[in-house]
Amino acid sequence: AQRVTQPEKLLSVFKGAPVELKCNYSYSGSPELFWYVQYSRQRLQLLLRHISRESIKGFTADLNKGETSFHLKKPFAQEEDSAMYYCALSGRNFNKFYFGSGTKLNVKP
Amino acid sequence: GAVVSQHPSWVICKSGTSVKIECRSLDFQATTMFWYRQFPKQSLMLMATSNEGSKATYEQGVEKDKFLINHASLTLSTLTVTSAHPEDSSFYICSAERQGEGEQFFGPGTRLTVL
Repeated sequence: AQRVTQPEKLLSVFKGAPVELKCNYSYSGSPELFWYVQYSRQRLQLLLRHISRESIKGFTADLNKGETSFHLKKPFAQEEDSAMYYCALSGRNFNKFYFGSGTKLNVKP
Repeated sequence: GAVVSQHPSWVICKSGTSVKIECRSLDFQATTMFWYRQFPKQSLMLMATSNEGSKATYEQGVEKDKFLINHASLTLSTLTVTSAHPEDSSFYICSAERQGEGEQFFGPGTRLTVL
């Protein structure tokens, strides 16, 4: 069965500190992995996806098929990064999406 | 841009009544739309996937007769909560996918409160 696990409900760091939001998945085929972000009082929006291999707002995520992980990283957190982050998984044909439980990132000044 | 709207944004209804929620892709055609339910401080739970012109595919445990989904056009999908009960109170979110791109664009959500 497909599953996305985000083990941390809340992650608090100080401004300028490195951040890593963990995501592990289980999927029988070849998954597409995404990170979505939800800022306060805003709708969900795509942050990045593994196939694009981009760095968005300083965030990167590498798909590790051996460890079935897709951790989100940023070397220096900013206060404006404070938000809910959701890891999501889809199949190749994008006909279903499964979200992790989310991690609330709190960047303290 | 790719904008998805939902209407209404907030609805209160009496137990036993039906409520219809609309999801529209405003500036693109969405072959696939998704409906999610989000409980307070919890993640999104996929309820169903709807494709234009065909029946929706419901996730296990989601009653299709309770949550009627219609995807009549490439820009509109509707979710009707039939005979709503207080336990149906939740935040309902839709998303739309531009054909073949894989990226979902989310609506702002609809807060349903059933008294």
